[in-house]
Amino acid sequence: ETGVTQSPTHLIKTRGQQVTLRCSSQSGHNTVSWYQQALGQGPQFIFQYYREEENGRGNFPPRFSGLQFPNYSSELNVNALELDDSALYLCASSGATGTGANVLTFGAGSRLTVL
Amino acid sequence: GQSLEQPSEVTAVEGAIVQINCTYQTSGFYGLSWYQQHDGGAPTFLSYNGLDGLEETGRFSSFLSRSDSYGYLLLQELQMKDSASYFCAVYEYNFNKFYFGSGTKLNVKP
Repeated sequence: ETGVTQSPTHLIKTRGQQVTLRCSSQSGHNTVSWYQQALGQGPQFIFQYYREEENGRGNFPPRFSGLQFPNYSSELNVNALELDDSALYLCASSGATGTGANVLTFGAGSRLTVL
Repeated sequence: GQSLEQPSEVTAVEGAIVQINCTYQTSGFYGLSWYQQHDGGAPTFLSYNGLDGLEETGRFSSFLSRSDSYGYLLLQELQMKDSASYFCAVYEYNFNKFYFGSGTKLNVKP
């Protein structure tokens, strides 16, 4: 079975620009969630997508948005980039219910640097 | 909001046993999960407690007590490769949100 893949692995943007990060979910998983992880911190939940709709959101402003596609892959879009957006962005897939909903399979992450 | 608290850093020697605690203030969650993350890597799932009590997976065990709002991860026969950060996490099902602790950095010394 394939794991979670993310692209790009690294990218550099300037303040005010927009970025799109991509994620393919693990085979058999229909739920995708995104996280922001600053150095030395735990992952911070951004949002979750199930059946192509956002069904959970953390404390992130609307300039963080996403999509989920029929094949369960997903995108994270961040507009009007700020310096504090520099972080590792992690995508994770999971099942929708029960124990499966609690077990996350993470991708390797996209390291975003905002200058 | 929800919060999960962990010690920031723990040091132990090879072959020893170490316990990483997680106390939480949350409700409406199915269970407590643990993840391992090596420097520069992605978090990987270690263990999940859906019910109170002890779960054992090889050298790793995890425990949950909902009445005490407390859980722990127990690592036995420590190896150098266990040097990593460990995170506890919950899935808050009322709002479909995941919450992670800030992580415990485990340093295993020879």
